[in-house]
Amino acid sequence: AQSVSQHNHHVILSEAASLELGCNYSYGGTVNLFWYVQYPGQHLQLLLKYFSGDPLVKGIKGFEAEFIKSKFSFNLRKPSVQWSDTAEYFCAVNVLYGNNRLAFGKGNQVVVIP
Amino acid sequence: GAGVSQTPSNKVTEKGKYVELRCDPISGHTALYWYRQSLGQGPEFLIYFQGTGAADDSGLPNDRFFAVRPEGSVSTLKIQRTERGDSAVYLCASSLEVGERADLNEQFFGPGTRLTVL
Repeated sequence: AQSVSQHNHHVILSEAASLELGCNYSYGGTVNLFWYVQYPGQHLQLLLKYFSGDPLVKGIKGFEAEFIKSKFSFNLRKPSVQWSDTAEYFCAVNVLYGNNRLAFGKGNQVVVIP
Repeated sequence: GAGVSQTPSNKVTEKGKYVELRCDPISGHTALYWYRQSLGQGPEFLIYFQGTGAADDSGLPNDRFFAVRPEGSVSTLKIQRTERGDSAVYLCASSLEVGERADLNEQFFGPGTRLTVL
């Protein structure tokens, strides 16, 4: 079964700092990769996704993620965070040609201090 | 258009009781998924429907949990003899289809039902 690892569960940053959240997965086949965000009091929303092609993916709100196949990683980055980026971030993986079930990491709770 | 909706948004019940949680997927989405999110964890897969049939129920924790989707649209997750450990947020998601087109497999999540078992 796939597993997804996210480290540094709690991250506290000041506004304008750079953010990088690590995500590593265990499955060796062809995968789809996702980052979801959950703002306080809201439901899960898709931040960005990788299916194929350019391994550097740009998502909403200035976020980007890089797929490095050799490292089984899909790290999320944002050069300059804002207070409104305070949220929980989840990395997720599913298997192409599988049953589409998503395997999620434990999440990163990010707090941006104004 | 409308997104995935779930009712109720909150459910408080007593240990041993029976509960039903409802999910309305996005219209036209053939695939429907249930996940459970415990405090401090990411969502965990429970069951997946393709149309009316449960294509994969391997994530259901035990036989107290059951889900149906009789007409291929609305789904109900049923939990019998609830236990305190069942307390969690139950999430529903839907996708247009499941197949070779990864872009059509994208899952859209509902707001969840927060279940509290006292």
